[in-house]
Amino acid sequence: KAGVTQTPRYLIKTRGQQVTLSCSPISGHRSVSWYQQTPGQGLQFLFEYFSETQRNKGNFPGRFSGRQFSNSRSEMNVSTLELGDSALYLCASSLTGDTQYFGPGTRLTVL
Amino acid sequence: QKEVEQNSGPLSVPEGAIASLNCTYSDRGSQSFFWYRQYSGKSPELIMSIYSNGDKEDGRFTAQLNKASQYVSLLIRDSQPSDSATYLCAVTYNNNDMRFGAGTRLTVKP
Repeated sequence: KAGVTQTPRYLIKTRGQQVTLSCSPISGHRSVSWYQQTPGQGLQFLFEYFSETQRNKGNFPGRFSGRQFSNSRSEMNVSTLELGDSALYLCASSLTGDTQYFGPGTRLTVL
Repeated sequence: QKEVEQNSGPLSVPEGAIASLNCTYSDRGSQSFFWYRQYSGKSPELIMSIYSNGDKEDGRFTAQLNKASQYVSLLIRDSQPSDSATYLCAVTYNNNDMRFGAGTRLTVKP
């Protein structure tokens, strides 16, 4: 089976812009979770989607949003980018939401 | 606040030794426990999962869970330089809410 894929792999944006990241889960997996990873904060949970519904949400501002499509692919959007949003954004897929398998991540740099 | 605590390290062991990584968690309602390995510049990869008290062995890796003490550990036997990485402890709560520790950086010296 193909693993989790994320696009793009690298992204450079400027403050105030918005960005959309994409994640395709492992075939058959219906749960997609998003995480932000920074050297100072570690892996921080953003949100989890299961069958197009957001089941869990972490402690991030409303500028961070996501959605899941009927084919389980998911997108994450960050509006009004800030310098502190520079991070590695990781997507993880799971059959039920328990054991999670990570994609390669999208490295976002905000200038 | 649901917290997962790990010693950040770095933990350094000689090649062939046993590396012991520890993790504590705050919520007694925790259901599932995982260890991930993350090489520098890469994404986390799953090593082990454990759900019930006791030991679970997979090759050179042994995960140990003690729910009464809210403690989970990972032992790596016969450590190899290729085991040098950051090890992340993860705990899931209700509704599959997964929280990660900050990770322990392990260095295995030849």
